[in-house]
Amino acid sequence: GAVVSQHPSWVICKSGTSVKIECRSLDFQATTMFWYRQFPKQSLMLMATSNEGSKATYEQGVEKDKFLINHASLTLSTLTVTSAHPEDSSFYICSAGRQGSSQPQHFGDGTRLSIL
Amino acid sequence: GQQLNQSPQSMFIQEGEDVSMNCTSSSIFNTWLWYKQDPGEGPVLLIALYKAGELTSNGRLTAQFGITRKDSFLNISASIPSDVGIYFCAGPRGNLNQAGTALIFGKGTTLSVSS
Repeated sequence: GAVVSQHPSWVICKSGTSVKIECRSLDFQATTMFWYRQFPKQSLMLMATSNEGSKATYEQGVEKDKFLINHASLTLSTLTVTSAHPEDSSFYICSAGRQGSSQPQHFGDGTRLSIL
Repeated sequence: GQQLNQSPQSMFIQEGEDVSMNCTSSSIFNTWLWYKQDPGEGPVLLIALYKAGELTSNGRLTAQFGITRKDSFLNISASIPSDVGIYFCAGPRGNLNQAGTALIFGKGTTLSVSS
């Protein structure tokens, strides 16, 4: 079964609104989670690293004030797309790895965000 | 920076045929991962490789970690319609092995299987 849960799976909203996406590790603790963005027919690109109890680390070119990340517990990270615009429409995917493990991360099922 | 070059970009095959795709890099990776992504879903891990030269199978899938640590291939034998999807190679950024490291992805190979 899924070990990383992402919610919602699909959201449509009007331009200018804010959208929150949740990523949960279901049966393990994750001090670090990752947020990726995937445009149609393209690969996954890392947006930011979410660190429990501290500020997220953003990749070059990703606006931290637009993509707010909160990792308040060891099992939950949230990504809020603020004042969303049509160009923010994409597939957002989170991943998490078991703390202290060398095993590969597990990915959520992604969130399809469509901004009208 | 680290980049993964994946080929071919797409493949169109008949059911029952074997498939091979590969990934190369100018940088050394200590771990190679192969994922499959179905439409509208997140990537699912197929095979993880941790040692140079390692050859690992998972059912009809076989992957190898190149000796130089700069390449890997994935083979699918006797393809079936449910093999359709996008296959990605990936490796940990910064060459770390731990789960707390972000991944770099290849651009993917889109596989189409006709029955």
